[in-house]
Amino acid sequence: AQSVTQPDIHITVSEGASLELRCNYSYGATPYLFWYVQSPGQGLQLLLKYFSGDTLVQGIKGFEAEFKRSQSSFNLRKPSVHWSDAAEYFCAVGAHGITGGGNKLTFGTGTQLKVEL
Amino acid sequence: GAVVSQHPSWVICKSGTSVKIECRSLDFQATTMFWYRQFPKQSLMLMATSNEGSKATYEQGVEKDKFLINHASLTLSTLTVTSAHPEDSSFYICSARRPSVRGYEQYFGPGTRLTVT
Repeated sequence: AQSVTQPDIHITVSEGASLELRCNYSYGATPYLFWYVQSPGQGLQLLLKYFSGDTLVQGIKGFEAEFKRSQSSFNLRKPSVHWSDAAEYFCAVGAHGITGGGNKLTFGTGTQLKVEL
Repeated sequence: GAVVSQHPSWVICKSGTSVKIECRSLDFQATTMFWYRQFPKQSLMLMATSNEGSKATYEQGVEKDKFLINHASLTLSTLTVTSAHPEDSSFYICSARRPSVRGYEQYFGPGTRLTVT
């Protein structure tokens, strides 16, 4: 069974500082990996995804993530955080193959990011 | 990115009544749609997966007779909470999956806040 671990429940950074949110996954084959962001009372917005190829993926809002197979990690990074980045961030893993009830995304428990001005 | 809408964004109903929530993929055809439930400060809990024209697949512990899902078209899925009770109060989020060049993407609606009094 696939699983996702986000070790940090809360992270606080100063505006302008760099950010790294950790994500570790467990999956028996090459995973599909996603990062989502959720603002309070809102749905989830897709930041970026990894399917195959280049292990460093670029996303929206200046975010990037690096897939490291040897470490089973897919950490999210941003070089300079803005106050508007304060939100909940979810990492998710899915299987290759688009359809079917068995191909579900598994989400981590989320990391709450607070940005200090 | 693709857009998924949900309606209503919030609803208050009396105990014993039924509530219908609509989920639409506005600019793409969704091969599969998903319904999640999210409790405060927690991750998403998958309730069911549905493919257009077929019966939904419910996760273990989710009452299919209570949470009726209809996937009428490739752009519309509905969740009906029947005979709602206060413990059904929650944040419900739908999601739609779209094929992409090297896999798929999954987009989320803005969520529906249900309060049962």
